[in-house]
Formats: sequence, structure tokens, C-alpha cells
Amino acid sequence: DQQVKQNSPSLSVQEGRISILNCDYTNSMFDYFLWYKKYPAEGPTFLISISSIKDKNEDGRFTVFLNKSAKHLSLHIVPSQPGDSAVYFCAGAGGTSYGKLTFGQGTILTVHP
Amino acid sequence: EAGVVQSPRYKIIEKKQPVAFWCNPISGHNTLYWYLQNLGQGPELLIRYENEEAVDDSQLPKDRFSAERLKGVDSTLKIQPAELGDSAVYLCASSLGDRGHEQFFGPGTRLTVL
Repeated sequence: DQQVKQNSPSLSVQEGRISILNCDYTNSMFDYFLWYKKYPAEGPTFLISISSIKDKNEDGRFTVFLNKSAKHLSLHIVPSQPGDSAVYFCAGAGGTSYGKLTFGQGTILTVHP
Repeated sequence: EAGVVQSPRYKIIEKKQPVAFWCNPISGHNTLYWYLQNLGQGPELLIRYENEEAVDDSQLPKDRFSAERLKGVDSTLKIQPAELGDSAVYLCASSLGDRGHEQFFGPGTRLTVL
């Protein structure tokens, strides 16, 4: 039972354009969602989060949108930069899983100069 | 501020051998997590500690895996005996008790079982 799904294994974007990474979840008890970024041979690094009571959270070039009715969230990166090339994981937390992050499979983002 | 420290970074062993991983969390973080990450997958929680107490070990295969967090600071995860399917990256993370959702990860230990 995969509670968090990232259906796009990879995404390729031109520098300066928008990157949109998508994530779907099934556990309606999640009350918090997070995006992590991972470079090779490093651990995941926290990027941005959103509470389930909000539908948007913005931090610089990064914006996360949450659509609770569709159980869908997305991460927008504008403008994309080559240094953004990494694996992006979304994760859900809360409810009976408090303290536990449930991760998706990840999406490899490549930003071309 | 130092991040989460893990050692070793890489480990290659023969199947049926024991192996141990060590983690030192960020100073002051009372919650510590061990995750398993298989190739092409996201991390999956193995065990969560609050101080020295294991509060969630439901995903830890207790027949061969064990963990401890003596004195509520650093932690050790052990596998005995290792199997071929244990080849993966083992990640340690920590968080403050009141910011449990935002977890800080170490670089991981890549285990290869031959």
C-alpha cells in the first residue's frame, strides 16, 4: 500500500523555466506535507513544507500547492537553475503516523543550461 | 552547527556476517530515526526514538535487526546475520521534539552484501 506516490520518475527542464513536480497521496490522516531534495551520496535535505490547513506555501523560488480534495500536491520551482538538478521526494506526516515521514519514490529533476 | 553524522559511509560484507552502523544526531535533538532506502525508492522508517525510548519499531525486522540509543544521544543499528536483500542505504535523521515533522538527515551508510 503506497500511501505517497510520485508518478513521474524524471523531469527535464530548461534553465530559467518552471519545474513542476507532482505528488499524490491516499492517507487522508496526513496533516503535514514536506518536500526534500537529495544530491548523490548525500542525505535528503528539507526544502519546504505545508500544513493541511493551507493550500499554498511559498519560499523564494519554491512554492508548494496542496489540493486536499484531489489528495494532490505539487512543487513549483521558478526559475529553475542547474543547481536544482537532484532527486525530489515528497512526504506526508501526521495522524496515527505522527513523527513518521512517509515518502514517495522520488522524481529526478534535470535542469539543462 | 554540525549536522547528523553517520559512519561508516560505505560497508561491504559477505552474507551471514554481522554489521553495525553508527549515528550521532544534531546536538539537542531528542528524536532520532533510522530509515532504509532501497534503490529507486524513498526512505522507509525502521525505528524512531524519543530520547532513549524506541517509540515506533513496528517496521524493524526484529529477527535480524536491532538498535539501541543509550543515554538518548547517539545510536547504533545492527544487522545479524546480513542477507543479500539488506543491500541498501541506511539513513539516520534527527529532529527537535516540537518540530517532529522537519527531520534532518545524515549522509547515510551504503551497505553492500555479497
